[in-house]
Amino acid sequence: NAGVMQNPRHLVRRRGQEARLRCSPMKGHSHVYWYRQLPEEGLKFMVYLQKENIIDESGMPKERFSAEFPKEGPSILRIQQVVRGDSAAYFCASSPGTESSGANVLTFGAGSRLTVL
Amino acid sequence: AQTVTQSQPEMSVQEAETVTLSCTYDTSESDYYLFWYKQPPSRQMILVIRQEAYKQQNATENRFSVNFQKAAKSFSLKISDSQLGDAAMYFCAYRRAFDWGATNKLIFGTGTLLAVQP
Repeated sequence: NAGVMQNPRHLVRRRGQEARLRCSPMKGHSHVYWYRQLPEEGLKFMVYLQKENIIDESGMPKERFSAEFPKEGPSILRIQQVVRGDSAAYFCASSPGTESSGANVLTFGAGSRLTVL
Repeated sequence: AQTVTQSQPEMSVQEAETVTLSCTYDTSESDYYLFWYKQPPSRQMILVIRQEAYKQQNATENRFSVNFQKAAKSFSLKISDSQLGDAAMYFCAYRRAFDWGATNKLIFGTGTLLAVQP
C-alpha cells in the first residue's frame, strides 16, 4: 500500500502563475482532505472532497483557489495567479469512505511545498 | 467554534527521560476525537495516538500515553523513555464525532517543537 501520494514535493512559481498540486489517496479511500500549513503554524483545513463532489470548502479562500476530485485520477488543488502569501506546505489526507472506526483517522501525504517568488 | 491550544512552543528532554506535552481545547460537543500527530523534519504527518471522548480510559501506544481530562478539556501527551527519533513537532488535533453528511475535518493546535538531548 503506497499510502497517500502527493506531487510535486516542491514547486516554485512566480507571482501570477498557476500552481497545481496533486493527491492520490490511499487505496480504498474515497474521502480526500486538503490542509495548508503556513510557516511556523499548524495545519489549517481547506477543503473536503469525495469522488466528484465537494463536501466542505469552508476553509478555502474565496478567490483563486479551487479543488476537484474526479471520478478517475487524483485530487487536484489549483491555485491561480499565485501571490507570495500562498507560499506554504499543502497537505493532502485521505480516509475510508465508510463510517467505520477507521474513518475518523486521516492518513496524510508528505505534503507539497509551494514557494512563490 | 472549536479551538485547540498548545501553550508550549518548544520543549526539551534528555534521552531516556519522560516529557509531557500540553494541549487544551474548547468545544460544546460531548462526543469527539482527539489526536496527537508527529511531524519530523521530513514534514510527514504521522499519527501518534488517538482518544475517543466517550472512553474514560486513557489511550496508550507503547511509550506514548495520554492524560485525557474531559471536564478540564485537557489532553496531554506523555512520552516515556525518550529517544532521539522522537525529536519532532507535535500537533494536538480535535475532530467532531461523526455527523452524517458533514465534514470530519481536524482542527489543529499550533504545535510544540520537541528537542531530545543525547
